[in-house]
Amino acid sequence: QVQLQESGPGLVKPSETLSLTCAVSGYSISSSYYWDWIRQPPGKGLEWIGNIYHSGSTYYNPSLKSRVTISIDTSKNHFSLKVNSVTAADTAVYYCARRGIIEGGPILYWGQGTLVTVSS
Amino acid sequence: EIVLTQSPGTLSLSPGERATLSCRASQSVSNSYLAWYQQKPGQAPRLLIYGASSRAPGIPDRFSGSGSGTDFTLTISRLEPEDFAVYYCQQYGSSPELTFGGGTKVEIK
Repeated sequence: QVQLQESGPGLVKPSETLSLTCAVSGYSISSSYYWDWIRQPPGKGLEWIGNIYHSGSTYYNPSLKSRVTISIDTSKNHFSLKVNSVTAADTAVYYCARRGIIEGGPILYWGQGTLVTVSS
Repeated sequence: EIVLTQSPGTLSLSPGERATLSCRASQSVSNSYLAWYQQKPGQAPRLLIYGASSRAPGIPDRFSGSGSGTDFTLTISRLEPEDFAVYYCQQYGSSPELTFGGGTKVEIK
């Protein structure tokens, strides 16, 4: 069974960098699929941040592209998210996820989510 | 970028009633690659429907999806108590990019 688990600081200061890691178990991250990051501000809807393909190619939401970096570490079977120059608007539950059904398909597996608050 | 608009924003129904949720795309969704998710408070979303009309593994048959092009519908034939939640549509036709709709909350009347 594929499982994903986010980890990282729950509190980040404005203008600093948010960094999260997603540990994957039950599947080799280097085998296939896109590996996504999605966020959800408190009480609001879902926003796709971006993803990384198992080969290392990345794709980002145009609205966040200038501040976001997603990377992959196949030796540790995890992938990571960095968001630069954060503001209060970046406060959200951050989910890591994996596609399914087909390689570029819908999100089939989700992490439990981790709340990141941007505040001084 | 494809924009997805869900309606209504909130649906107030009683258990046993039929729920009909709409998702409209700003342009045609390639291959009808449209998915529906259910999200309950404090939980990650769960995939219900993919490819506009195929149920994900383990999803009860009271959930059904239909539509193509720019207009899609999620129907819950008879609402069970555990179905009261927020539902999101998502397109993956422009994969690897994804977009989500704003959500429809199904609440108990």
